[in-house]
Amino acid sequence: QSVLTQPPSASGTPGQRVTISCSGSSSNIGSNTVNWYQQLPGTAPKLLIYSNNERPSGVPDRFSGSKSGTSASLALSGLQSEDEADYYCAAWDDSLNGYVFGTGTKVTVL
Amino acid sequence: QVQLVESGGGLVKPGGSLRLSCAASGFTFSDYYMSWIRQAPGKGLEWVSYISSSGSTIYYADSVKGRFTISRDNARNSLYLQLISLRAEDTAVYYCARVRNGYNYQNSYYYYMDVWGKGTTVTVSS
Repeated sequence: QSVLTQPPSASGTPGQRVTISCSGSSSNIGSNTVNWYQQLPGTAPKLLIYSNNERPSGVPDRFSGSKSGTSASLALSGLQSEDEADYYCAAWDDSLNGYVFGTGTKVTVL
Repeated sequence: QVQLVESGGGLVKPGGSLRLSCAASGFTFSDYYMSWIRQAPGKGLEWVSYISSSGSTIYYADSVKGRFTISRDNARNSLYLQLISLRAEDTAVYYCARVRNGYNYQNSYYYYMDVWGKGTTVTVSS
């Protein structure tokens, strides 16, 4: 059972802005940095955002992350059809001594 | 280029065993922590285990503790996961991933996986 909660789905039309929330607790998001992964259909996950708001080389600046207290969010601006994927937040959990993933959000481009 | 390639998956009966391997290339394997993550069919991601660069520090998810063993061979640039006492709920795609971790300037712990393999499928069924 995931300890980080995300909405199961989100959608938008091309060009719109979509935001995905991630709710945790003091032992994970409240204490440590948050990361986001994108999983395109049938492929392995890919690191999208690390350390709350940093983008790896090659990730468009349409993707941005933020964190406040025990919650985090991922924003997708200028939505494109190739953004259709599952998105997972994740953070280290000090109580579990393990890495925890969010429940995942499926983004659909209408 | 930086690459991770998993192997060793397959069909195994409940109670059986399997050894997964992950071959690393394109980076200095011995400098990095490594991790295993799995994904059951149609489900989300689940972190399984990590091992430090020297192999001296290891953590497991509670769901696999006592049944799975992570190890590495830095001379062979390889990561392993030994699975025993397998159950139907262990059926999943198993990914290996390179870990980046430490403390940032605000003394917050960061831990993330920046390189992933394509995965190997483990099916536990009679």
